[in-house]
Amino acid sequence: IQLTQSPSSLSASVGDRVTITCRASQGISSYLAWYQQKPGKAPKLLIYAASTLQSGVPSRFSGSGSGTDFTLTISSLQPEDFATYYCQQLNSYPLENTFGQGTKLEIK
Amino acid sequence: EVQLVESGGGLVKPGGSLRLSCAASGFTFSSYSMNWVRQAPGKGLEWVSSISSSSSYIYYADSVKGRFTISRDNAKNSLYLQMNSLRAEDTAVYYCARARYGSGSYYNGFDYWGQGTLVTVSS
Repeated sequence: IQLTQSPSSLSASVGDRVTITCRASQGISSYLAWYQQKPGKAPKLLIYAASTLQSGVPSRFSGSGSGTDFTLTISSLQPEDFATYYCQQLNSYPLENTFGQGTKLEIK
Repeated sequence: EVQLVESGGGLVKPGGSLRLSCAASGFTFSSYSMNWVRQAPGKGLEWVSSISSSSSYIYYADSVKGRFTISRDNAKNSLYLQMNSLRAEDTAVYYCARARYGSGSYYNGFDYWGQGTLVTVSS
């Protein structure tokens, strides 16, 4: 199963609403997670089961979708949100597992 | 507090071997499936291997199958990755990560990650 994220990079300003898309090459129901990674740090789980917020993650993050099309939305960008975001499919885990290629969110 | 601490990375020549370790604490290690995920310099995340809680089920990415071996020692709260026949393209930061169980046979992502250990394969 391949995951394609768009865009690959994105420039935005503090306070903006941002949406990142992840498309799966075949249906994966709602078995999708989103991660945030900052330079030099490990990824951090933000959302699982397509739309469930991981404990401690701010409510400005939200996820939606099922089947093949998914979105991660940040409702009002904060300075600490500038990072790279990855989606991950878990429909076929643990037999196989894939991540999207990443979306780098930069300050405009 | 859940902690995962990797060690064992370093510089190795092509064709060489290296063994990575991941020391776990703060949770019941023997109850969780564990994973290795790698990230080449400036690149994205690549899942490498997973192992079930009792080591009954083990899976590998095609890119490492036949060269890497994942294992665990629940008595020592430790996860391992034996890497043989290393290639330049195996150069990456290697993370260990805990799988978060969901329901049925499905999981909800990797909820805890170590800080990573760098493996460099170069002559």
